[in-house]
Amino acid sequence: RKEVEQDPGPFNVPEGATVAFNCTYSNSASQSFFWYRQDCRKEPKLLMSVYSSGNEDGRFTAQLNRASQYISLLIRDSKLSDSATYLCAVTRNSGNTPLVFGKGTRLSVIA
Amino acid sequence: NAGVTQTPKFQVLKTGQSMTLQCAQDMNHNSMYWYRQDPGMGLRLIYYSASEGTTDKGEVPNGYNVSRLNKREFSLRLESAAPSQTSVYFCASRRPDSTEAFFGQGTRLTVV
Repeated sequence: RKEVEQDPGPFNVPEGATVAFNCTYSNSASQSFFWYRQDCRKEPKLLMSVYSSGNEDGRFTAQLNRASQYISLLIRDSKLSDSATYLCAVTRNSGNTPLVFGKGTRLSVIA
Repeated sequence: NAGVTQTPKFQVLKTGQSMTLQCAQDMNHNSMYWYRQDPGMGLRLIYYSASEGTTDKGEVPNGYNVSRLNKREFSLRLESAAPSQTSVYFCASRRPDSTEAFFGQGTRLTVV
């Protein structure tokens, strides 16, 4: 079983829709969790970290469920500019251990 | 700030040729990483360096070597390129107390 698994997508949604992505992780020692965004032919960039209590940044909400070992990303009021691939990543601590990424979920927001 | 700089951006190699991918960061980060990204496979860790002078294997190290030349630079070498190494290679760096990894723009490598 891969350490981090994501819905592969693609998700094709109309503008204004709400879309949710899930990501499961297998290593219970994982301590830090993230969502990265990757535009076509570009490098990944941090979208948001995921905190135990959940966190929100504008239209984006991230949640962590340690008991079930998954993280989620909710995008409300989707914009065309949200079209990208969303990668979840986990690491065992915030020190030097590498980030382990999921395969990514592709989102296309359609006018 | 340049952030993480990778060179070259594009490369075509013939099977059996060797090359070194260069990566440098100017953010004084301790940790540096090399990932490869293939369609449908996501980002897979090749090697990483937790600090200057140390390197460790990741998920897919076969066919690669690395050198952490100093705190700024972390290079990836392909000694004898194979078509299976056709991929997009990303270098990244991170501070120990930071959660965010910063990526270079990637190197698109084709082995024919």
